Amino acid sequence: AQSVTQPDIHITVSEGASLELRCNYSYGATPYLFWYVQSPGQGLQLLLKYFSGDTLVQGIKGFEAEFKRSQSSFNLRKPSVHWSDAAEYFCAVGAGNSGNTPLVFGKGTRLSVIA
Amino acid sequence: GAVVSQHPSWVICKSGTSVKIECRSLDFQATTMFWYRQFPKQSLMLMATSNEGSKATYEQGVEKDKFLINHASLTLSTLTVTSAHPEDSSFYICSARDVRAQAHQPQHFGDGTRLSIL
Repeated sequence: AQSVTQPDIHITVSEGASLELRCNYSYGATPYLFWYVQSPGQGLQLLLKYFSGDTLVQGIKGFEAEFKRSQSSFNLRKPSVHWSDAAEYFCAVGAGNSGNTPLVFGKGTRLSVIA
Repeated sequence: GAVVSQHPSWVICKSGTSVKIECRSLDFQATTMFWYRQFPKQSLMLMATSNEGSKATYEQGVEKDKFLINHASLTLSTLTVTSAHPEDSSFYICSARDVRAQAHQPQHFGDGTRLSIL
């Protein structure tokens, strides 16, 4: 069965600083990996996804993530954080044929942005 | 793009009442929809898989008689929380995937329903 670990519960960064949110997964085959962002009281917004091919994936809002099979990681990065990026971020993994299988989510990382 | 609509977005009701939440795919058909629950400051946990025209599949620890799921059409799944109690207060989110989607295309999430039981 798949599992996802997000080691950091809460991260605080200064506006304009770079950001990296960690995600480690466990899955026997090539996983489908996702990063979602959730603002308080809101639903999920997909930032980016990895299925195959280039291991560096570009997403919306200036985010990118790199799939590293050797480290079972899919860390999310952003070179310069904006105050509006403050939110909860979830990493998720799906099975290879993710059509009819649900996603397994990590516990989330709450991002705070200070001036 | 593909949209999943959840209704209501927020509901407050008295303990003991039943609450129905709808999950509707607006511009695509979905044979499978998923229902997740999210407690405050926690992650999303899968409750059940809703299958069009057949019984839902529940995760371990989720009471099927408590959380009734009906997936009567390819565009609508409903979750009914029966005889709701304060401990059922949570954020409920559904997701759905286009039956025509290729393997790499993601599921689409609704905006969630915040349920508060007094």
